[in-house]
Amino acid sequence: GNSVTQMEGPVTLSEEAFLTINCTYTATGYPSLFWYVQYPGEGLQLLLKATKADDKGSNKGFEATYRKETTSFHLEKGSVQVSDSAVYFCALINQAGTALIFGKGTTLSVSS
Amino acid sequence: EAGVAQSPRYKIIEKRQSVAFWCNPISGHATLYWYQQILGQGPKLLIQFQNNGVVDDSQLPKDRFSAERLKGVDSTLKIQPAKLEDSAVYLCASSITNQGREQYFGPGTRLTVT
Repeated sequence: GNSVTQMEGPVTLSEEAFLTINCTYTATGYPSLFWYVQYPGEGLQLLLKATKADDKGSNKGFEATYRKETTSFHLEKGSVQVSDSAVYFCALINQAGTALIFGKGTTLSVSS
Repeated sequence: EAGVAQSPRYKIIEKRQSVAFWCNPISGHATLYWYQQILGQGPKLLIQFQNNGVVDDSQLPKDRFSAERLKGVDSTLKIQPAKLEDSAVYLCASSITNQGREQYFGPGTRLTVT
């Protein structure tokens, strides 16, 4: 079946450090891939998405590239800020296009 | 544009009691989802509606959970009777199409069963 695996957290970084959160997936066909973010006390928000192989999603300085050959969608940011502290979820939706399948989430904590 | 609204935000009940959650999706969104998010895990789909019809309820524990979306707008999710393992955040999401490509989430209802 379809599944998403994320690196375990928490990830603790200093401000301006480089961030990578690994995400790999298992799916039949060609799923769409997403990163959602959940800030403390808030609901899930779509951060970025990619719908086909080699697409790069980007938003707020975050990037992720859909790599079909490695079934990965790693999230990166060149210089994190304290305000990026949140829980990040990798997710996919299969070609049937029903509901999202989420990873377990990775907590990011950025200190000044 | 108003987002997805949910109420209540928090609820504490004893096991074997019943509880109901309410969701109002974004205006014009035909598809509505209920997810359960247990602490330390990602959200898991419970049920998906397209207008007022059920598209997928394969992971809904139907012996205790029920949901409806009368008139194809608001939705309620009910648990009766609640168990300890139902403690979780219940998230409502909506999307404009049934392809689920862009889902918008509400703030969630945090349920604690004691």
